[in-house]
Amino acid sequence: GNSVTQMEGPVTLSEEAFLTINCTYTATGYPSLFWYVQYPGEGLQLLLKATKADDKGSNKGFEATYRKETTSFHLEKGSVQVSDSAVYFCALSPGSNFGNEKLTFGTGTRLTIIP
Amino acid sequence: DTAVSQTPKYLVTQMGNDKSIKCEQNLGHDTMYWYKQDSKKFLKIMFSYNNKELIINETVPNRFSPKSPDKAHLNLHINSLELGDSAVYFCASSRLNTEAFFGQGTRLTVV
Repeated sequence: GNSVTQMEGPVTLSEEAFLTINCTYTATGYPSLFWYVQYPGEGLQLLLKATKADDKGSNKGFEATYRKETTSFHLEKGSVQVSDSAVYFCALSPGSNFGNEKLTFGTGTRLTIIP
Repeated sequence: DTAVSQTPKYLVTQMGNDKSIKCEQNLGHDTMYWYKQDSKKFLKIMFSYNNKELIINETVPNRFSPKSPDKAHLNLHINSLELGDSAVYFCASSRLNTEAFFGQGTRLTVV
């Protein structure tokens, strides 16, 4: 079955540091890949997505590139801010009509940015 | 103009009670989901409906029963609540095989 593995947290960084959160996946076919963010006390929000190999998703200074050869979708940001403190989830969607479509999530990575 | 709305936001109830959580989406999506998030933030799919038909039913106790009266609504009814049911429950919707939009969550506390 499909699965997503992301680096365990928590991750604590100083403001303006470089961020990488690793995500790798296992899936059949050609999945779509997503990063969601959950701020404290809120629901999940889509941060960025990529639907095919070599696509780069980007939003709010965050980027992730769909690497089929390494089955990875690592999240990066060049200079983090305190407001980026949240839990980040990597997820995949099958991308084909297998009749069992659902988002499969990683375990989440809690990120804390200190001033 | 909330896209996915679920009510209530907080629910505190005693063991053994029956409760419902309601979810509505105004995005015109065909597929709706219920996810459970535990205290460690781990997200697990419970149910998925496509065009009012159940397409995913993960290993969930049969005390949990989803009901979809129409494409825009997916409610979750829980019978005989147990302490272990305490969690945050998220409703979501999507077009098939695209990103999902989530509600704000319902924090259920069973005492």
